[in-house]
Amino acid sequence: EAGVVQSPRYKIIEKKQPVAFWCNPISGHNTLYWYRQNLGQGPELLIRYENEEAVDDSQLPKDRFSAERLKGVDSTLKIQPAELGDSAVYLCASSVALAGPYNEQFFGPGTRLTVL
Amino acid sequence: QKEVEQDPGPLSVPEGAIVSLNCTYSNSAFQYFMWYRQYSRKGPELLMYTYSSGNKEDGRFTAQVDKSSKYISLFIRDSQPSDSATYLCAMNGAGSYQLTFGKGTKLSVIP
Repeated sequence: EAGVVQSPRYKIIEKKQPVAFWCNPISGHNTLYWYRQNLGQGPELLIRYENEEAVDDSQLPKDRFSAERLKGVDSTLKIQPAELGDSAVYLCASSVALAGPYNEQFFGPGTRLTVL
Repeated sequence: QKEVEQDPGPLSVPEGAIVSLNCTYSNSAFQYFMWYRQYSRKGPELLMYTYSSGNKEDGRFTAQVDKSSKYISLFIRDSQPSDSATYLCAMNGAGSYQLTFGKGTKLSVIP
């Protein structure tokens, strides 16, 4: 079974430029997450989708970040314009809908963004 | 104070040593406790999870949770160079999707 796929793996841009990251979750996983992981830190949730609906975007900096999940499968996270502080690894994860008290999240390899 | 505290290390041990990794937390609502392993340039992968207090063993790995002390541990026996990675603790409340991660501890096992 294929895992969570993300592209690109690496991206270097200059500040004020736009950038987009793409994620394809595990087949059948209704829930999709975008996390940001700064150097030496644990992942922090940016947004969570249930199918097409963004159900938790409280941590997403909405002035410059946007996300979409068309048809409830693939998702795109965009930053416009990028700032130096956006340099981080952007992780996508997916899980089945919460059918019981615990759900396992499966992570992709991440996109490492460097803003110069 | 962060909700989850984890010593970032780095921790360097010889091959075959017993490794102890720990996290403390402050949120009493946390009921599920996880350990993720993250190799360099990879995403985190779930190693073990434990519900509430107690121990759980899987091969060379043992996870312990002490809710009264708000303290969780991961023990690795007979450590191998392939165990070299960053270990992240994570936790959430019952029925919650919100995982709260520690900073991660970088472990190196020297042959």
